[in-house]
Amino acid sequence: DAGVTQSPTHLIKTRGQQVTLRCSPKSGHDTVSWYQQALGQGPQFIFQYYEEEERQRGNFPDRFSGHQFPNYSSELNVNALLLGDSALYLCASSYGGLAEISGTQYFGPGTRLLVL
Amino acid sequence: AQSVAQPEDQVNVAEGNPLTVKCTYSVSGNPYLFWYVQYPNRGLQFLLKYITGDNLVKGSYGFEAEFNKSQTSFHLKKPSALVSDSALYFCAVRDPNSGNTPLVFGKGTRLSVIA
Repeated sequence: DAGVTQSPTHLIKTRGQQVTLRCSPKSGHDTVSWYQQALGQGPQFIFQYYEEEERQRGNFPDRFSGHQFPNYSSELNVNALLLGDSALYLCASSYGGLAEISGTQYFGPGTRLLVL
Repeated sequence: AQSVAQPEDQVNVAEGNPLTVKCTYSVSGNPYLFWYVQYPNRGLQFLLKYITGDNLVKGSYGFEAEFNKSQTSFHLKKPSALVSDSALYFCAVRDPNSGNTPLVFGKGTRLSVIA
């Protein structure tokens, strides 16, 4: 049973560029949440996708956008990259959207983004 | 707003000794609480969660945590530490009484188990 997978593992971009990160949820899961983990910090919630719609969003600017596909996989897009966007981006999958508030989120290995 | 605090940035313990990683929370009602572990260059791995019921929750790899409502704490414990337990530990909370809120994480505690 495959767990949560993310690609790429590492990425280097320059300021002003755009980046797309990808996530495939754990088998049987239909909900994908994205988090940003800056160095030395805990993960910060970016947004959650369920039924191909953004259901909830954290305190992140519109430069951060996403998409969920019919097979439940998801993309995170970041436009106009800033130095401060350098972080580990984590994808987490779960089942049932926001209704399953007690459900466990399972995390992928992350994509480490470096913005120069 | 919900929040969680991990008061220790670093915890050092000798192999074979018991370990405790502390977590306190702030929510308006009864919380849902989670512990995750992160190894270097890896994502977060789920250890255990408290939703309701018995205050002592048992999880993966011999870890357990005790929910204490009066002290608003959810400390992670293990009776006998292993060197392989050395990692970064995160406590997280959700407030089921505040609508559909996301998981909120603490800043993490680095556990170092010394042989």
